[in-house]
Amino acid sequence: EAGVAQSPRYKIIEKRQSVAFWCNPISGHATLYWYQQILGQGPKLLIQFQNNGVVDDSQLPKDRFSAERLKGVDSTLKIQPAKLEDSAVYLCASSFHRVRTEAFFGQGTRLTVV
Amino acid sequence: SQELEQSPQSLIVQEGKNLTINCTSSKTLYGLYWYKQKYGEGLIFLMMLQKGGEEKSHEKITAKLDEKKQQSSLHITASQPSHAGIYLCGAAASSNTGKLIFGQGTTLQVKP
Repeated sequence: EAGVAQSPRYKIIEKRQSVAFWCNPISGHATLYWYQQILGQGPKLLIQFQNNGVVDDSQLPKDRFSAERLKGVDSTLKIQPAKLEDSAVYLCASSFHRVRTEAFFGQGTRLTVV
Repeated sequence: SQELEQSPQSLIVQEGKNLTINCTSSKTLYGLYWYKQKYGEGLIFLMMLQKGGEEKSHEKITAKLDEKKQQSSLHITASQPSHAGIYLCGAAASSNTGKLIFGQGTTLQVKP
């Protein structure tokens, strides 16, 4: 079974530029998550999708971050404009059910904002 | 808001030694998940604990959930260099969400 695919693996941009990350979840997984992991910390949820609907985006900085999951499969996360404090690893995860089931994570995208 | 505290923050052990990592929640646990992470990579799922008193084992790793104490522990027996990495505990934020609140992680080094 193929795992969660993310691209790119690494990205370096200047502050105020925009960037987009892509995620392809495990086939059949209805729930998709985007987490942000700052160096030395645990991951923090940015947004959770159930199929193509948003379940939780309470911690998404909506003035600069946006995410979509068209057709309930692939998802993209965008940052525009980026700030220095956005430097982090962005992790995508998916799970079969919305609750009481393990989530599987992709390799992540390491973003460096200079 | 819920917080998870992991202890210790880092650990260096000699190969073959046993070790325990603890995870304590500030609120009721609705499910506790253990993950392992190699530096700069994604999280690898280890175990999920749902009920108080539950204990699960996989190879040389055992995890337990003490719901009353709002705690979980991860025990590794006869550690090997392949066990090195960052161990993260994650708790379901509520009973009806898959959103996880993570601890800060415990970095494990195993010396050959």
